[in-house]
This record gives sequence, C-alpha cells and structure tokens, in this order.
Amino acid sequence: SYELTQPPSVSVSPGQTASITCSGDKLGDKYACWYQQKPGQSPVLVIYEDNKRPSGIPERFSGSNSGNTATLTISGTQAVDEADYYCQAWDSSTAVFGGGTKVTVL
Amino acid sequence: EVQLVESGGGLVQPGGSLRISCAASGFTFSFYWMNWVRQAPKKGLEWVANIKQDGSEKYYVDSVKGRFTISRDNAKNSLYLQMNSLRVDDTAVYYCARLGSGSWNFDNWGQGTLVTVSS
Repeated sequence: SYELTQPPSVSVSPGQTASITCSGDKLGDKYACWYQQKPGQSPVLVIYEDNKRPSGIPERFSGSNSGNTATLTISGTQAVDEADYYCQAWDSSTAVFGGGTKVTVL
Repeated sequence: EVQLVESGGGLVQPGGSLRISCAASGFTFSFYWMNWVRQAPKKGLEWVANIKQDGSEKYYVDSVKGRFTISRDNAKNSLYLQMNSLRVDDTAVYYCARLGSGSWNFDNWGQGTLVTVSS
C-alpha cells in the first residue's frame, strides 16, 4: 500500500521559515494537499493541488511538489501556526495521509 | 455556511456494531463525494471510506473492508457509517469530510464523533 512519510516534529523561531516535507513514491505525479490541526479541533485545509491556498488561508503558507517529495513552507511563522500538519494524496481511489508533523514555535 | 455534524458515537464492546451519522447543511449535498476519516487517540489521520454523489461507487481502507459500510441519503442530506465486528483498534474520533468539487481534497470537516470500543 502507498505510504507518505513526514518528520515527527519541526521547531521554528517566530518570524522564521518552517519547512515540512512529505515523501512518497513518485508523489510528484500526484496532487498533494496539506491540513493543519490544532489541539481539540478538526483539520483545516491549508494547501491543495500542491500549491493552491483556499480562501482565508494566509499567504505565508505555500506548497510545492516534485519528484518524491512535497513540501509545505510557512514563511514568517507565527505563534498561531503551532499545530500538527498532515500531507495527503490519493492512490488507487483511496486517500492516504502522512503520519503528521508537529510544528513548535519556540 | 457549510456545516457537517456527526452523531451516534459511543461506547461499544468488541465484536459489537454501531452506526454513526453526519448531517450536512449549507450546500447541495447530492453534488459531492463524501468521506469518513478517523483519528485514534493521540494518533494521526486515517481515511476510512468514501461514497460517490449517487452512491454508485464506494471505497474503503483495507482494514475496514467487509466490516464497515458507508451509505448516504441525499433526500435527508445525511451520510452514514455502519460499523460491524468492531475491534479495539477502531477506537477513534470519526470525522465526516466533504471532497471539494472538482478537486481531490477534503475542504470541509465536521467536529467528529468519538467511538470507543472496549470491554
């Protein structure tokens, strides 16, 4: 079965850039999307179709996807961005999520 | 405003059954693929199943095939998940999620309903 691999945690200082990777076999041939989940809340879509932002998502969130790796980048990270982030893609009509990355803003 | 409200969660013994529901409002329910996604305590997200707009296609994660059945009632704007032969590792918050129109992402999520399988 298809797997997506994320680092368990990423730490970033306020105002700096956080990059979260998501690796999967030929992931660049698929669309990747990213969800943010804060404690006790439901996930929220922050990036879809590799690099598109839904309305209401700040411009500091961006995405890319090439080869075997998709990347979510948070520029000028703020304390409110502290959350778990999950990548997701589709394989053979089934959705697959990465294991999640906890972003800590120190 | 899109709203997805899950209900029906609770405590059930291993081997038991439970049906959870999702009431949709604020959009034309019959136009969208709908999904169930679960999250075990302190764990990540796991997609469970989805169903096409007219119910003609359904897909499941391998771990629930033959035990869970997804269904919908477009007249009632409702999504269901019938869960049989429940196991301890099915314990999770179950989210109802809408698949975006013309895209393959979950653009709206409910608040979730907790299913606990324990003796």
